[in-house]
Amino acid sequence: GAVVSQHPSWVICKSGTSVKIECRSLDFQATTMFWYRQFPKQSLMLMATSNEGSKATYEQGVEKDKFLINHASLTLSTLTVTSAHPEDSSFYICSARHVYNEQFFGPGTRLTVL
Amino acid sequence: AQTVTQSQPEMSVQEAETVTLSCTYDTSESDYYLFWYKQPPSRQMILVIRQEAYKQQNATENRFSVNFQKAAKSFSLKISDSQLGDAAMYFCAYRRPSNSGYALNFGKGTSLLVTP
Repeated sequence: GAVVSQHPSWVICKSGTSVKIECRSLDFQATTMFWYRQFPKQSLMLMATSNEGSKATYEQGVEKDKFLINHASLTLSTLTVTSAHPEDSSFYICSARHVYNEQFFGPGTRLTVL
Repeated sequence: AQTVTQSQPEMSVQEAETVTLSCTYDTSESDYYLFWYKQPPSRQMILVIRQEAYKQQNATENRFSVNFQKAAKSFSLKISDSQLGDAAMYFCAYRRPSNSGYALNFGKGTSLLVTP
């Protein structure tokens, strides 16, 4: 089956610093990738839709200047949390859309901001 | 907006028994996809089953089956012969149409406990 990786799986950073999370589709090309956020014991909330070579489409209420998304190739999308604060601590999950429209999920990244 | 509602925050089932998880959704589209995902403690999202709205036949994957009632906008998941490994969070999801990028809208989830 199709595999999506995320790196890092776990990161701790100081308040005010920026953190970059990578999402890669390892064995297929993904024209679209999605970034979700999940708080403890809650559901996945879509943050943005990322299309290769174009600007990401952000969901209402998501700060595009805080959560920078870049989809520079058909196999890589990155999410950069800028000037992170403790309230940005969360579990971030990416998914990549296969050509047949099925989504494959990465294992997630746990971000803790001190 | 296409909303997904899971009204059961927690469910419990004994090993080898059958359990049904409920899901309702709201959409004005006529053709769409619905999914059930499993999220174990590792938090890796695992696709359990999918249903395309225009197909009247309910989807089945081994011990997992759905009861899809399009008119009622209901999409329940039945797990037969429950196993300890079935314990997890289960999310119902609606896939947005192409003009919305095919992203998924998730319900709040149901935590399934399987007791020996």
